Amino acid sequence: DAKTTQPPSMDCAEGRAANLPCNHSTISGNEYVYWYRQIHSQGPQYIIHGLKNNETNEMASLIITEDRKSSTLILPHATLRDTAVYYCIVTRTRRDDKIIFGKGTRLHILP
Amino acid sequence: GAVVSQHPSRVICKSGTSVKIECRSLDFQATTMFWYRQFPKQSLMLMATSNEGSKATYEQGVEKDKFLINHASLTLSTLTVTSAHPEDSSFYICSATMLLTLAGATQYFGPGTRLTVL
Repeated sequence: DAKTTQPPSMDCAEGRAANLPCNHSTISGNEYVYWYRQIHSQGPQYIIHGLKNNETNEMASLIITEDRKSSTLILPHATLRDTAVYYCIVTRTRRDDKIIFGKGTRLHILP
Repeated sequence: GAVVSQHPSRVICKSGTSVKIECRSLDFQATTMFWYRQFPKQSLMLMATSNEGSKATYEQGVEKDKFLINHASLTLSTLTVTSAHPEDSSFYICSATMLLTLAGATQYFGPGTRLTVL
């Protein structure tokens, strides 16, 4: 089973910030939080990852709570192209560590 | 950077035939490649983990004699669906992790191959 819990779906108005929550209360000290997204009929796309500090890149920001039991992915200015299923995953950083995908959050961007 | 390609993108075959799907890392060397399957309206299911030069590790319930995986080089892995049947129709996706990187477990995914078995 996936080690994360996400809401099944969310709506966000175009141009607004999309905040996607994720609970990972059983995360271990050596596990990172990763976010991927899958646009319909495409392979998943890596977004961002972090250990305990907040992270930001050109796509998104990742906010991890101090106890590391939950996190939020923030898309600062959502566009219609951000409509996708977003997966929050916890995993170690070994190259052969496998990812178990949960059901993710289906994000609908509303025009 | 970190581009993974798959070929073919779509394939339609008759029941009983075998189909080979290629997964290539185009601009990096991949020590590990993963193969997933995704049925409509479902999440990705890991089928196997493949390391260059060694035998693949299959997930429970995945038939290794039916889904043959070869990872002969640091940039190429192939999945062969042998004696395909209609229930094998699915979206097959590969991913790869970099050999030399601080990115660790970051997986870079291919665009997927849609297999339809008639």
